[in-house]
Amino acid sequence: AIRMTQSPSSFSASTGDRVTITCRASQGISSYLAWYQQKPGKAPKPLIYSISNLQSGVSSKFSGGGSGTDFTLTIGSLQPEDFATYYCQQYKSYPYTFGQGTKVEIK
Amino acid sequence: QVQLVQSGAEVKEPGASVTVSCKASGYTFTSYHIHWVRQAPGQGLEWMGRIAPTSGGTIFAQNFQGRVILTRDTSTNTMYMDLGSLKSEDTATYYCARHNFAHNFDLWGQGTLVAVSS
Repeated sequence: AIRMTQSPSSFSASTGDRVTITCRASQGISSYLAWYQQKPGKAPKPLIYSISNLQSGVSSKFSGGGSGTDFTLTIGSLQPEDFATYYCQQYKSYPYTFGQGTKVEIK
Repeated sequence: QVQLVQSGAEVKEPGASVTVSCKASGYTFTSYHIHWVRQAPGQGLEWMGRIAPTSGGTIFAQNFQGRVILTRDTSTNTMYMDLGSLKSEDTATYYCARHNFAHNFDLWGQGTLVAVSS
C-alpha cells in the first residue's frame, strides 16, 4: 500500500498568515492526489484534485502543487473559517490512502 | 439536489453486525463508484473499500477483507455497508463518498456513528 505522510501534524497560525502543508507519498502517484478539509463533527470537504485543480466553489486562496511523491497545500491569508484539519489522499492505486491529517489551530 | 444521505446512528454489542445505508439522489447512480471511509474518534480517515454500482464489483482494504460486505440496490439508488464481528475498535463514524473518476471524492454522506459497546 502507498503510505501518505503529512507534515506537520499540527501547528498554530494567526489570521492573515500564509501557510503550507506538505504531503509525501511512499512511491510515485502521478497526478492522483487530492486534498480535503474537515471540521469537527462534519464530513470532509473536497478542496483540490489532481494535485492543483480547485474543486468547484472552493476559494482561490487554496492552492496545490508538487509532483511525483512530494506535494503541498497552501492556504493564502488564513481566515477564521480555515482553522480545521486537512488531509491528503492518493487515488492512484488501491487501497486508496489518506495522510494522517494536519490540524491548523489558531495562535 | 445532488446528495448522499446515510442512515442513522447505531449502537451495537461486540460480535454483532451493523448495516449502514447510503442513498444517492440528484445524479446518475450508476456513473460513479461509491467508497466507504471510516474515522475513529479523534483519529484520521481510513479507506475501507468501494463498490461499482453498475456491476456490483467490490475492492476492500486488507484490514476489512472478509468482514465487510458492500452491496447496492439499483432500484432505490442505495448502497449498503455491512460490517460483522464488531469490536470496540470499530467504534467510528462511517462515511460513504462518491468518486469522480480521476478526480477526488467529490460528494460525501453526512456520516453514520457506529458505537460498539457491551
